[in-house]
Amino acid sequence: AQSVTQLGSHVSVSEGALVLLRCNYSSSVPPYLFWYVQYPNQGLQLLLKYTTGATLVKGINGFEAEFKKSETSFHLTKPSAHMSDAAEYFCAVTKRGSQGNLIFGKGTKLSVKP
Amino acid sequence: EAGVAQSPRYKIIEKRQSVAFWCNPISGHATLYWYQQILGQGPKLLIQFQNNGVVDDSQLPKDRFSAERLKGVDSTLKIQPAKLEDSAVYLCASSSGQLLQETQYFGPGTRLLVL
Repeated sequence: AQSVTQLGSHVSVSEGALVLLRCNYSSSVPPYLFWYVQYPNQGLQLLLKYTTGATLVKGINGFEAEFKKSETSFHLTKPSAHMSDAAEYFCAVTKRGSQGNLIFGKGTKLSVKP
Repeated sequence: EAGVAQSPRYKIIEKRQSVAFWCNPISGHATLYWYQQILGQGPKLLIQFQNNGVVDDSQLPKDRFSAERLKGVDSTLKIQPAKLEDSAVYLCASSSGQLLQETQYFGPGTRLLVL
């Protein structure tokens, strides 16, 4: 069965600092991978996704993630945090060859200090 | 382009009562999903529709939850009777097709509190 592990339920960074949110997955076949962001009292918004091709994926708001098959990881990064980045971030996976339901991690809440 | 619409945004009921949530997906989107998001957890799929047919309802507690998507557009999710553990945010999402890599677009959710 597939699963997604997000290390750290809460990450706090200073404004301008590097943001690193960790995601590891378990899957018997290479999956499709997604990062979603959820602002308070809002639905989820897609930040970026990896399906095929280049393993470094760029998304919205300056975020990017790198698919590393050998490490079964898909960590999310942003070089310089902004106050508006404060939100909850979810990593998700879907399995090739299946009906493809998204399996979400438990989420990481990002706080940005001024 | 209008996003996924959901109503109501908030609902408070007592246990054993019934409740219904409504979702209007993005126009033209064939696939519609209902997720349950319990506090502190990621969303969990309850049911997936392709047009007006059910693709996956394996995680839907069918003794109390039901969902329909008449005419392949709007959808309603019902809980009857509600339990305390049903307190959660119910998210509706839609995508244009059924391909695994397609983006799902989420509505703002309905926050349910069962007392």
